[in-house]
Amino acid sequence: DTEVTQTPKHLVMGMTNKKSLKCEQHMGHRAMYWYKQKAKKPPELMFVYSYEKLSINESVPSRFSPECPNSSLLNLHLHALQPEDSALYLCASSQGDWYSPLHFGNGTRLTVT
Amino acid sequence: EDQVTQSPEALRLQEGESSSLNCSYTVSGLRGLFWYRQDPGKGPEFLFTLYSAGEEKEKERLKATLTKKESFLHITAPKPEDSATYLCAPLYNQGGKLIFGQGTELSVKP
Repeated sequence: DTEVTQTPKHLVMGMTNKKSLKCEQHMGHRAMYWYKQKAKKPPELMFVYSYEKLSINESVPSRFSPECPNSSLLNLHLHALQPEDSALYLCASSQGDWYSPLHFGNGTRLTVT
Repeated sequence: EDQVTQSPEALRLQEGESSSLNCSYTVSGLRGLFWYRQDPGKGPEFLFTLYSAGEEKEKERLKATLTKKESFLHITAPKPEDSATYLCAPLYNQGGKLIFGQGTELSVKP
């Protein structure tokens, strides 16, 4: 079982909906990440939070809005998505040092109709 | 430009048939490399960190090695449960940004 928990596991939403993805970790990690993964492709970095502050935004469209309420929680707010945004959204956490591996959750499978 | 290339893209083995996966990279300031395993519909699972050229790490049937320009993941006598996509990600001075290779999809048939 992964120590990074993501909810929901599956989400279907229309292009006019607003939804949120949630991620939680209790390993005391100080960095948290959102990745997007399309079929047969590697995970692509979207956002990095370090000590609850946004440190990296990989030029992600504003229809994706991250939030880090505290060091254990990470949200991704979704609004006005497009069908091409359908993907597996992965959350990860790490101790925050350059040499610390990322620990991933099992993702939320998002389908935009 | 920093690049990571994994080969082959796909590998089919018979159970017990040993082989190697390759991860080559051109990155500035390489400080190490991660190997991950990913099962379909799951998140990547951390396998190894290698920090310096010449370093080797082992876990069950897997052994990872590192040189200055590439890393190998050797699989000895694989079993069907080793079937997965194997991803590498170089560690370099990128401020928390981890970039994955395209992955090698391994299939082991009984």
